Amino acid sequence: DGGITQSPKYLFRKEGQNVTLSCEQNLNHDAMYWYRQDPGQGLRLIYYSQIVNDFQKGDIAEGYSVSREKKESFPLTVTSAQKNPTAFYLCASRTGQTGNTIYFGEGSWLTVV
Amino acid sequence: QKEVEQNSGPLSVPEGAIASLNCTYSDRGSQSFFWYRQYSGKSPELIMFIYSNGDKEDGRFTAQLNKASQYVSLLIRDSQPSDSATYLCAVPISSGSARQLTFGSGTQLTVLP
Repeated sequence: DGGITQSPKYLFRKEGQNVTLSCEQNLNHDAMYWYRQDPGQGLRLIYYSQIVNDFQKGDIAEGYSVSREKKESFPLTVTSAQKNPTAFYLCASRTGQTGNTIYFGEGSWLTVV
Repeated sequence: QKEVEQNSGPLSVPEGAIASLNCTYSDRGSQSFFWYRQYSGKSPELIMFIYSNGDKEDGRFTAQLNKASQYVSLLIRDSQPSDSATYLCAVPISSGSARQLTFGSGTQLTVLP
């Protein structure tokens, strides 16, 4: 089945550690996105990529990094510079056509311990 | 002013009633508007999108758009307990040379049996 797969679903990070969240899609979508959601809040854009080997910062990129070496993959690294990383992270993708909606993966819960 | 604003709720309606969810947006150039439903602990799923002024109906859901007033709403008729969720309004907002889908903070709806 086509879709967006995020892993792991739950992740615990110690203070000072970097962690990487995986996002893979087999929808042949051009654009991919990472959002962060805090309890009771909306989604905030971290990074997005419209095409392979290119990505742009969103509203809250500090403390995060991404890569887009393949069309199917858009991993997010939460670095130790991100001071408050505990949140629900959502990966999404969209075709290149204007107006098309975005579709979400199931999300990854990151908790700092 | 937030770029996409929703009443945070919570909104409670009795089963069988009409639930009305509202959203205002700041970018007059936005052309498409999306409503997502998010159950607790899950990722958002698209339920409606609308491009043109007026109403769009899909089953028990009706999206209403008024571009002049920069206002979009979602009506849920014959509300069911299974409709209890957070509803997110999303609008492409101009950001540099592109438009990025920007989400409101969501309205939490509870349908009481």
